[in-house]
Amino acid sequence: EDQVTQSPEALRLQEGESSSLNCSYTVSGLRGLFWYRQDPGKGPEFLFTLYSAGEEKEKERLKATLTKKESFLHITAPKPEDSATYLCAVQPRSYNTDKLIFGTGTRLQVFP
Amino acid sequence: DAGITQSPRHKVTETGTPVTLRCHQTENHRYMYWYRQDPGHGLRLIHYSYGVKDTDKGEVSDGYSVSRSKTEDFLLTLESATSSQTSVYFCAISERSGGSTDTQYFGPGTRLTVL
Repeated sequence: EDQVTQSPEALRLQEGESSSLNCSYTVSGLRGLFWYRQDPGKGPEFLFTLYSAGEEKEKERLKATLTKKESFLHITAPKPEDSATYLCAVQPRSYNTDKLIFGTGTRLQVFP
Repeated sequence: DAGITQSPRHKVTETGTPVTLRCHQTENHRYMYWYRQDPGHGLRLIHYSYGVKDTDKGEVSDGYSVSRSKTEDFLLTLESATSSQTSVYFCAISERSGGSTDTQYFGPGTRLTVL
């Protein structure tokens, strides 16, 4: 069964304290892995797409990496405005459309 | 901004009443999706559309129907709302990213409460 597990469920960081969020997945072939950011009361906002093991993408203080079993979202020197829920999703190769399987997210709080 | 609007943004209704949620896009994308988001479950696909009048079921389609008579509009209907359909509903569209898959962009959501 295709599934996505994110950890930790919640993470509290001091401003400037770097950390990583984990997304582990089991799928029958991976077409793509997606990271989204979601603020309270809003829709998910696209951050990155990763396609193959070893790939990395960066945007400001965020860097996403991918292996054959998991992805990490590294947050370097976070600021309070980075507080949000971060969602991971995978697109199995067995699907003939762009359907996604989502994890339940990691709720990040960054304190000044 | 992917040009997606959802209406209404909030709705409270009673068990047994029909409800229709609307998703409107301005970018002429082929694929549109309806998801629901519940605590502990993440986002789950209800139905999706791959063109006008072309729709298919997702993971949690029971109790829901959809229609797409125009490229820009994708409607989600709860024929007879139940309390288990209390949720936040998100519409998404696919935009070709140039890679081997499409990136999905999400609307602002509709919070539905069924009493």
